[in-house]
Amino acid sequence: NAGVTQTPKFQVLKTGQSMTLQCAQDMNHEYMSWYRQDPGMGLRLIHYSVGAGITDQGEVPNGYNVSRSTTEDFPLRLLSAAPSQTSVYFCASSYLARSTDTQYFGPGTRLTVL
Amino acid sequence: DQQVKQNSPSLSVQEGRISILNCDYTNSMFDYFLWYKKYPAEGPTFLISISSIKDKNEDGRFTVFLNKSAKHLSLHIVPSQPGDSAVYFCAASAEDNFNKFYFGSGTKLNVKP
Repeated sequence: NAGVTQTPKFQVLKTGQSMTLQCAQDMNHEYMSWYRQDPGMGLRLIHYSVGAGITDQGEVPNGYNVSRSTTEDFPLRLLSAAPSQTSVYFCASSYLARSTDTQYFGPGTRLTVL
Repeated sequence: DQQVKQNSPSLSVQEGRISILNCDYTNSMFDYFLWYKKYPAEGPTFLISISSIKDKNEDGRFTVFLNKSAKHLSLHIVPSQPGDSAVYFCAASAEDNFNKFYFGSGTKLNVKP
């Protein structure tokens, strides 16, 4: 049982490049989400999904796309990277979308946009 | 504007003593609160939670206190151990927002042997 896995661990992009951050969970969780963590700020919700085929925007969705074609995977796409997207990205999952369901976080992807 | 604030970026405590980490929030609709612990190069892990119908929740060495009138919660760690050295985030949610949590900026706890 690997929990929540994220790839890559580190990535450097040039402004304007696109990339996909991968997230997978093997716990059969319905709810998955993406957060970014910036210095001096807490984790901020980018996008979330309450089940396969269903996604919605969080607090800071601009510049990011997501899709959820399977229960296990929830990739995050940066269409045209900008320096403001330099951050640490965390994927999380929980059994259901209730506040009381424990969220399990992946180890994070550190992204630098030059 | 941050709805959840942790005003102390860092805290240093001697091993065996009490650690008190504080968190303030502004949204009166928040009704569920959590603390997460984060080690370097790892994702946050859930530590303890409290619902707004309670004012205290204990789990071993960890106790969370909620003061709804002051919109303030605190995490007490007694006794503190060197392995508790980590960054601690508080988070809050309104139940009708499903799993949308608002996080504080974190407090880095250093427990000195």
